[in-house]
Amino acid sequence: DAKTTQPPSMDCAEGRAANLPCNHSTISGNEYVYWYRQIHSQGPQYIIHGLKNNETNEMASLIITEDRKSSTLILPHATLRDTAVYYCISHSSASKIIFGSGTRLSIRP
Amino acid sequence: NAGVTQTPKFRILKIGQSMTLQCTQDMNHNYMYWYRQDPGMGLKLIYYSVGAGITDKGEVPNGYNVSRSTTEDFPLRLELAAPSQTSVYFCASSYEAGGINEQFFGPGTRLTVL
Repeated sequence: DAKTTQPPSMDCAEGRAANLPCNHSTISGNEYVYWYRQIHSQGPQYIIHGLKNNETNEMASLIITEDRKSSTLILPHATLRDTAVYYCISHSSASKIIFGSGTRLSIRP
Repeated sequence: NAGVTQTPKFRILKIGQSMTLQCTQDMNHNYMYWYRQDPGMGLKLIYYSVGAGITDKGEVPNGYNVSRSTTEDFPLRLELAAPSQTSVYFCASSYEAGGINEQFFGPGTRLTVL
């Protein structure tokens, strides 16, 4: 079973911020949270990762709650090219990687 | 860098045939992975390797075999193909350091077993 829970689908208006939630209530202390996305049938693409602190890079921001049981991926200005399935996973180098079904994000023009 | 390359891109097999899916990475990554993705579903880990000569099972290893004789290559072998193995197969690699493990994925191999 996946260790993370995500809504199956979301939509967002183009130009607005897309906020994608993820629940990882059983995360262990040494496990990172990673986000990937898969556009159409391509291989997944890494977006961002974090352990405790909030993180930002050129693609997105990651907000992790203080208890680390959930996180939110923020795409600050969504475009049509951000339409994809977004996967949130949690793992360490010692734990196996389990992808869930992800969130299908649709961007409305 | 070419990144992670996979061959072939497409393949149709008959039931009972065997084949090897090739995966090569040129990033000197220590970790490599094989996933399968059935239509409309997420990725499931088949096998992974933390270095040359070391492999371990993932969620769905039955019906598959792997080997890792070099850092660069991680072939996936299907013996006695079955229709249930119809799927898209993705290979990935990563450089694990300090618990951080960002994976780079290949373009995938679409396999149909008839």
